Amino acid sequence: EVQLVESGGGLVQPGGSLRLSCAASGFTVSSNYMSWVRQAPGKGLEWVSVIYSGGSTYYADSVKGRFTISRHNSKNTLYLQMNSLRAEDTAVYYCARVLRVGAIDYWGQGTLVTVSS
Amino acid sequence: EIVLTQSPGTLSLSPGERATLSCRASQSVSSSYLAWYQQKPGQAPRLLIYGASSRATGIPDRFSGSGSGTDFTLTISRLEPEDFAVYYCQQYGSSRGFTFGPGTKVDIK
Repeated sequence: EVQLVESGGGLVQPGGSLRLSCAASGFTVSSNYMSWVRQAPGKGLEWVSVIYSGGSTYYADSVKGRFTISRHNSKNTLYLQMNSLRAEDTAVYYCARVLRVGAIDYWGQGTLVTVSS
Repeated sequence: EIVLTQSPGTLSLSPGERATLSCRASQSVSSSYLAWYQQKPGQAPRLLIYGASSRATGIPDRFSGSGSGTDFTLTISRLEPEDFAVYYCQQYGSSRGFTFGPGTKVDIK
């Protein structure tokens, strides 16, 4: 059974850093496209970043230069390093597996990141 | 950057009625890369349709997707009580990443 379990969310001050983790089971992270998607409170879905099976990474303009997506193959875990956090980064962050056609077939339960002083 | 617009913003219907949700792209999107999701409060989204018209695993056949180019539609043939939720369309652009529409809320009339 495919499962994605995020951790690492919490309260952080503006300008601070946080690292999110997503432990995967039931499939191999490194063989799949993996993504982070976020949702601000009461708002819609916003794509954040993707890492392809070949290792290429891409980011939304809103986080480029501040966030870094990576994976640890032996731990079968996806990460999102978030630096220089802003109030507008406050959201539930979902880890997701992406099909080759770009649709997201599995989502984690989400982890809440709150950026506030 | 491709922008997705969904209409209507809110659709008020009764159980048993047909729901037609629209997703319009600012430029042509490959049908292969258009998906629809359902999200209920406090839950992660769920994939309904990928490739514009293919149902995901376990999705009832009352959900169907259609369209091409810049205009796509999600149809729910007969609304069940569990179908009242927010629906998002999404397109995929490889190195350009992913774009979600703003969502259509289907609520009970």
